[in-house]
Amino acid sequence: QQQVKQSPQSLIVQKGGISIINCAYENTAFDYFPWYQQFPGKGPALLIAIRPDVSEKKEGRFTISFNKSAKQFSLHIMDSQPGDSATYFCAASMPWRGSTLGRLYFGRGTQLTVWP
Amino acid sequence: DAGVIQSPRHEVTEMGQEVTLRCKPISGHNSLFWYRQTMMRGLELLIYFNNNVPIDDSGMPEDRFSAKMPNASFSTLKIQPSEPRDSAVYFCASSPRQLNTEAFFGQGTRLTVV
Repeated sequence: QQQVKQSPQSLIVQKGGISIINCAYENTAFDYFPWYQQFPGKGPALLIAIRPDVSEKKEGRFTISFNKSAKQFSLHIMDSQPGDSATYFCAASMPWRGSTLGRLYFGRGTQLTVWP
Repeated sequence: DAGVIQSPRHEVTEMGQEVTLRCKPISGHNSLFWYRQTMMRGLELLIYFNNNVPIDDSGMPEDRFSAKMPNASFSTLKIQPSEPRDSAVYFCASSPRQLNTEAFFGQGTRLTVV
């Protein structure tokens, strides 16, 4: 079953607008929540990440909001630009079988298109 | 740093043929992952190596798939025999030792089985 549920599947935003992508999880063992950005023909690349001991993390125009009690987290892209058009994946990591290694679970992805 | 290097970038093969995908992880990274990406199923983890040892292969779809990591700088994913439903983009990623750090992805191999 899908460990991390992501919505929407696709999103169209005008330049300058706010893009919001949501993710939800059930397993409380998750302890690290990264977002990856993927451009066509490229592999995913880490965009921003958060740990569950904080409720928000901001890096430039990108902000993660984290609600531990609701088991939800979201990515906000402020002042969205055409260059932000890409596929965004949320993910969650948990220690693998009690070890110091982490295992990542990805959401299904959101295809963002920002119109100029 | 050249990043994670995968080859080939594109592979077209006929059903029933053997396909081998190759990956060179980032030097010093001790975890390596093979993922498969499709529209239907998104990014699926196929296998996870740590210090060249497979520690989680529960995502390998069936016995036609096998992966090896003979040393810290090279891994292969083999499909034998290939089927049209194996058509996908296959990514290799590597990660440093520490827990909850970035996974660095290669550019992927787009496999088409006709």
